[in-house]
Amino acid sequence: DSGVTQTPKHLITATGQRVTLRCSPRSGDLSVYWYQQSLDQGLQFLIQYYNGEERAKGNILERFSAQQFPDLHSELNLSSLELGDSALYFCASSVGGLAALWWDTQYFGPGTRLTVL
Amino acid sequence: EDQVTQSPEALRLQEGESSSLNCSYTVSGLRGLFWYRQDPGKGPEFLFTLYSAGEEKEKERLKATLTKKESFLHITAPKPEDSATYLCAVQAVNSGGSNYKLTFGKGTLLTVNP
Repeated sequence: DSGVTQTPKHLITATGQRVTLRCSPRSGDLSVYWYQQSLDQGLQFLIQYYNGEERAKGNILERFSAQQFPDLHSELNLSSLELGDSALYFCASSVGGLAALWWDTQYFGPGTRLTVL
Repeated sequence: EDQVTQSPEALRLQEGESSSLNCSYTVSGLRGLFWYRQDPGKGPEFLFTLYSAGEEKEKERLKATLTKKESFLHITAPKPEDSATYLCAVQAVNSGGSNYKLTFGKGTLLTVNP
């Protein structure tokens, strides 16, 4: 158990709908990362938050947005869903920021499997 | 752009048959190279961090090594429970002090037969 929790585990919805994925980081971690994993693309970085502020963006669609709350949990919002958005979505957390070493190890949650029908 | 290539894509071994997985990378400046293990439908499980060429890390039957261009994950006398996808990722020195995103390879699917 990494200490990172994600809800829900599974989500089935229809095209055009909007969903919210939730992540709670490990105790003491200030950084939260979101990744998408599909069969053809592998694990792709979407976005990073550090202590409530957006710090980096990767291949995140404009239909997707995220935020990190004062209690450090994070939500990933996916809207106008398309069939191609079906994937595993992972949250990872790390110490981040000035408290990190030269590198910063990320610990992953169990993921949310999104199926868009 | 940072790139990570893993080979082979899939590897089948008999129990006890040692082998190595390769991860070659191109990165502007390396903060760290990470190995993760992923079981089907689960989140990646952290195994090792390497950040300096020549560094080695060991855990049970696994040993990870790092050069300036690639990393190897050596598996000694594997058991069926070692079957999983092994992912390699790099963390680069980017502009923006707290950007620690990971760039992943597509993984090696390891199957160990009893």
